[in-house]
Amino acid sequence: AQRVTQPEKLLSVFKGAPVELKCNYSYSGSPELFWYVQYSRQRLQLLLRHISRESIKGFTADLNKGETSFHLKKPFAQEEDSAMYYCALGEFNTGTASKLTFGTGTRLQVTL
Amino acid sequence: NAGVTQTPKFQVLKTGQSMTLQCAQDMNHEYMSWYRQDPGMGLRLIHYSVGAGITDQGEVPNGYNVSRSTTEDFPLRLLSAAPSQTSVYFCASSRHSRSNQPQHFGDGTRLSIL
Repeated sequence: AQRVTQPEKLLSVFKGAPVELKCNYSYSGSPELFWYVQYSRQRLQLLLRHISRESIKGFTADLNKGETSFHLKKPFAQEEDSAMYYCALGEFNTGTASKLTFGTGTRLQVTL
Repeated sequence: NAGVTQTPKFQVLKTGQSMTLQCAQDMNHEYMSWYRQDPGMGLRLIHYSVGAGITDQGEVPNGYNVSRSTTEDFPLRLLSAAPSQTSVYFCASSRHSRSNQPQHFGDGTRLSIL
């Protein structure tokens, strides 16, 4: 069965400090991994996905299949990064529908 | 372009009552789904649909029914509300059912069962 683990409920960092939000997954197939973000009073929205290998709002995430991890990183935290972050794992199977499995989320708090 | 619209935003029910949570999307998305969000448990998939007339169960389907008579609408029905169904419910849609598609979420419905 798929499982996504986000070990930290809350991560508090100072503005300008590096950020790493941890995500580990358990899946026997070829994973599709995402980071979703929910800012205060806004909808849950996609931040980035591993297949795109892109940087969004300064955030990057690299899939490490050996360590089964997909940690979200940013070199310098900004106040506007304060939000709830969810790691999600999707099945990669052309014959079946997507079933996203979400982690429990990490609240990032960036303070001055 | 409203995206995914959920109604109502808040609802309080008594145990045993039934209710339908509405979800509509205007993006002509093929895939729609319902999640519940509980403290410390993240989002858990209740039911999903890959197109009109097709639905299937997710991780926590018990106590909920869905139907997909049109591409746009995907209502979630609570048949006999129980306190354990107190949660925040999110509807999501994506262009199609391949797992690499980004999900577009609604604002959520906060449901309390007394």
